[in-house]
Amino acid sequence: GQSLEQPSEVTAVEGAIVQINCTYQTSGFYGLSWYQQHDGGAPTFLSYNALDGLEETGRFSSFLSRSDSYGYLLLQELQMKDSASYFCAVSRDDKIIFGKGTRLHILP
Amino acid sequence: NAGVTQTPKFQVLKTGQSMTLQCAQDMNHNSMYWYRQDPGMGLRLIYYSASEGTTDKGEVPNGYNVSRLNKREFSLRLESAAPSQTSVYFCASTLGGGETQYFGPGTRLLVL
Repeated sequence: GQSLEQPSEVTAVEGAIVQINCTYQTSGFYGLSWYQQHDGGAPTFLSYNALDGLEETGRFSSFLSRSDSYGYLLLQELQMKDSASYFCAVSRDDKIIFGKGTRLHILP
Repeated sequence: NAGVTQTPKFQVLKTGQSMTLQCAQDMNHNSMYWYRQDPGMGLRLIYYSASEGTTDKGEVPNGYNVSRLNKREFSLRLESAAPSQTSVYFCASTLGGGETQYFGPGTRLLVL
């Protein structure tokens, strides 16, 4: 089976850096993805790690370590508009399984 | 290029009624998915279709049926709605392999 664990909530200050962790238990997968969802909206794709290491896209970076069954999303220079829920997801055999999401609260 | 579209946006049903949620994508994607999202539960996969003509069950298929009508369209049917099916339903598509999913705007369903 597959399960992903991520913190339910994280709070950070505007302008700071925050890391959202994701640990997983799965028998094998192609890659780890991250999605952002604002209240009332649909999830939107942020990043994908097919290989171990760091992927950087602007203020967002994502990391994967298959040996540790662990990944994280790093958000830098936090802005109020980054207040949202963030989901990690694993893809395998045309299926994508999502974690329960982390609600990011940003304080001014 | 509209991406992924869903109809309707909102629906209220009475217990026992049936309805079909429609989804279409214009990105020539091979794979399409239906999820439901409940507070604190994340996105749970109901059914998916890896290619035209194939469908497979996800985590929570009970009470639902799907049809991959053609490459563009993937519908979700509730034959006899129950209050436990009150949720937000998202359709999504990928080119293949699942790296990047594109989501529709969602359908908010209330079953009384």
